[in-house]
Amino acid sequence: AQSVTQLDSHVSVSEGTPVLLRCNYSSSYSPSLFWYVQHPNKGLQLLLKYTSAATLVKGINGFEAEFKKSETSFHLTKPSAHMSDAAEYFCVVSEEGNFNKFYFGSGTKLNVKP
Amino acid sequence: GAVVSQHPSWVICKSGTSVKIECRSLDFQATTMFWYRQFPKQSLMLMATSNEGSKATYEQGVEKDKFLINHASLTLSTLTVTSAHPEDSSFYICSARASGRTVTGELFFGEGSRLTVL
Repeated sequence: AQSVTQLDSHVSVSEGTPVLLRCNYSSSYSPSLFWYVQHPNKGLQLLLKYTSAATLVKGINGFEAEFKKSETSFHLTKPSAHMSDAAEYFCVVSEEGNFNKFYFGSGTKLNVKP
Repeated sequence: GAVVSQHPSWVICKSGTSVKIECRSLDFQATTMFWYRQFPKQSLMLMATSNEGSKATYEQGVEKDKFLINHASLTLSTLTVTSAHPEDSSFYICSARASGRTVTGELFFGEGSRLTVL
């Protein structure tokens, strides 16, 4: 069975400092992994995705994530936070070949201080 | 990227009435759409999967007669909350998977609809 654990419900960083949002998954199959961002009262926007290609994935707005099979992790990073990055971030896993099943993490709220 | 539009963004209704929420894929065809419910400060909970031209598949614990889903065309799915009660108040989000994009499994999300039942 698939599951996703986002280790931090809230992360607070200062503008210009690095961002690290942690995600661990469990999967019986080769997973596909996604990071989505949600601004208040909005839908979800895809930041990046891993689908068994390169383990280091680059996404939009300077975000990237590294798939580490040995650690079952897919942490999201950004070298320098911007005020506009303040939002809720969701790590999502789906089974290889079964994209009708998406499993959402509980979300991490990122706060960026000026 | 592809655009998914949800309407209405906000709706307030009286208890006992029914509310319809529309989800449209604007620039692509979506054979599969998903409906989620999101409680405050919580993650998304999948309610049902709708496939164009067939009955929706509901997740365990979701009342089929309460939440009617129709996916009559490749660009439109609707969620009707029947006989709404205050406990149905929530943020409802739809997503769509474009036809032919099954390899990457990319989902596109609507902006969400906030339902408040008085």
